[in-house]
Amino acid sequence: NAGVTQTPKFQVLKTGQSMTLQCAQDMNHEYMSWYRQDPGMGLRLIHYSVGAGITDQGEVPNGYNVSRSTTEDFPLRLLSAAPSQTSVYFCASAGGGGSPLHFGNGTRLTVT
Amino acid sequence: GNSVTQMEGPVTLSEEAFLTINCTYTATGYPSLFWYVQYPGEGLQLLLKATKADDKGSNKGFEATYRKETTSFHLEKGSVQVSDSAVYFCALRGYTGNQFYFGTGTSLTVIP
Repeated sequence: NAGVTQTPKFQVLKTGQSMTLQCAQDMNHEYMSWYRQDPGMGLRLIHYSVGAGITDQGEVPNGYNVSRSTTEDFPLRLLSAAPSQTSVYFCASAGGGGSPLHFGNGTRLTVT
Repeated sequence: GNSVTQMEGPVTLSEEAFLTINCTYTATGYPSLFWYVQYPGEGLQLLLKATKADDKGSNKGFEATYRKETTSFHLEKGSVQVSDSAVYFCALRGYTGNQFYFGTGTSLTVIP
């Protein structure tokens, strides 16, 4: 049982480049989300989805797009990378009711 | 609205000391409560959970009791080890199930 799988683990981008962070879960969870974690800032929600075809913005959505075409996958797209997007990104998923979030191992992104 | 307030860190303890990390919450209805642990360079792992008032979650010697009367979910461990050095996050899942709220994290360092 793989849980939540994120790729890549590390990425370096130049300002203005675009890329997609991949996230897949094999637990049939309806809820999926993306967070960024910066030193001293805790976790900040970027986007989330409560099911295939449904997405919504979190606390810090600007500069990021998401889509949810299947239950399993929830990719995060950086449209035009900026140094302020240097961070560690976590994907997480959850089942229904009072179930907890299950986190991936993170993607460490550096934008130069 | 919903929110989680967590004890500020960092916390430094000697091995075998007693640990308490305070967590209080504000929520509508009956949320589910969680503690997560994050070891250096890793993602967040679920440490324990409680889904209704007076439930006690426990795992790896850590405990927390869901106290509705004081809206608290304090994390405790009777005797910490060096291997417990990590960042601990308190979190809640709102009763609608569509939102998670995290505290800012408490860094714990245990010295031999």
